[in-house]
Amino acid sequence: AQSVAQPEDQVNVAEGNPLTVKCTYSVSGNPYLFWYVQYPNRGLQFLLKYITGDNLVKGSYGFEAEFNKSQTSFHLKKPSALVSDSALYFCAVRQTYGGATNKLIFGTGTLLAVQP
Amino acid sequence: DGGITQSPKYLFRKEGQNVTLSCEQNLNHDAMYWYRQDPGQGLRLIYYSQIVNDFQKGDIAEGYSVSREKKESFPLTVTSAQKNPTAFYLCASSPPLGPWGTNNEQFFGPGTRLTVL
Repeated sequence: AQSVAQPEDQVNVAEGNPLTVKCTYSVSGNPYLFWYVQYPNRGLQFLLKYITGDNLVKGSYGFEAEFNKSQTSFHLKKPSALVSDSALYFCAVRQTYGGATNKLIFGTGTLLAVQP
Repeated sequence: DGGITQSPKYLFRKEGQNVTLSCEQNLNHDAMYWYRQDPGQGLRLIYYSQIVNDFQKGDIAEGYSVSREKKESFPLTVTSAQKNPTAFYLCASSPPLGPWGTNNEQFFGPGTRLTVL
C-alpha cells in the first residue's frame, strides 16, 4: 500500500539555525512528492514538488527538499530558520494506482516551532 | 488560498441536523476534493470529483454526500449519519494532468471549521 510517514510530530529549532523536516514514502513506481505548509486555521499552501530530474528541489520561502530514492525519503530543509516559518508541514505523495488522477496521500504533519 | 473560497468559515450544528459546506473555485480546474482534518491524523479524503456530474468516494465517505453540477462548485453535505463530524474541512482543486504528470499539485481553500453542539 502507498503511504507517507512523517516520523516527528514536532521539530524545534532556534532562529537562524538550519532546519530539517523528515518524510519517507512507500509507493509503487516513480514517486511524485509534495510539501505543503499550513498556518493556524488556514488552508494548505504548496511549497514544492518533485516529479523528475534533479534530486534537490527548490521551492517557496527559501525551502528546498532532497529526494533520495535509495532511502525513499523526501526531507524538507531550509538553511536558516525564521520565526515566521513556525507552522504545520505536510508531506504528500501522488497516488499512482486507480487511474490517472491527482489524488494525494498525506502524512500526519510535523509542527515546526522556531524559537527566537 | 487564492482562487478557492469556502463558506462559512465557522459552522455550528446541532446533533441530527444536516449541514452543507460550500466550495467554489475560479481556477477553471476540472478536479475537486474534500478533506477532513483532525489533530494528529493529517488530511483524509472524503470525496473527489474529476469532472462535472461525476464523483467518487474517498477513504472516509460514510455520513457525507456531494454533488458536482457545475465545474466551479463542489458542495459537501455532512449528514446526521456522520457520527463525529466536528473537524476542520478543506476543499481543494487541481488542473488536469499534464505531460509527465506535471501540473498536479492541489490548491486549497481556507477551510471550514464545523462544530457539533
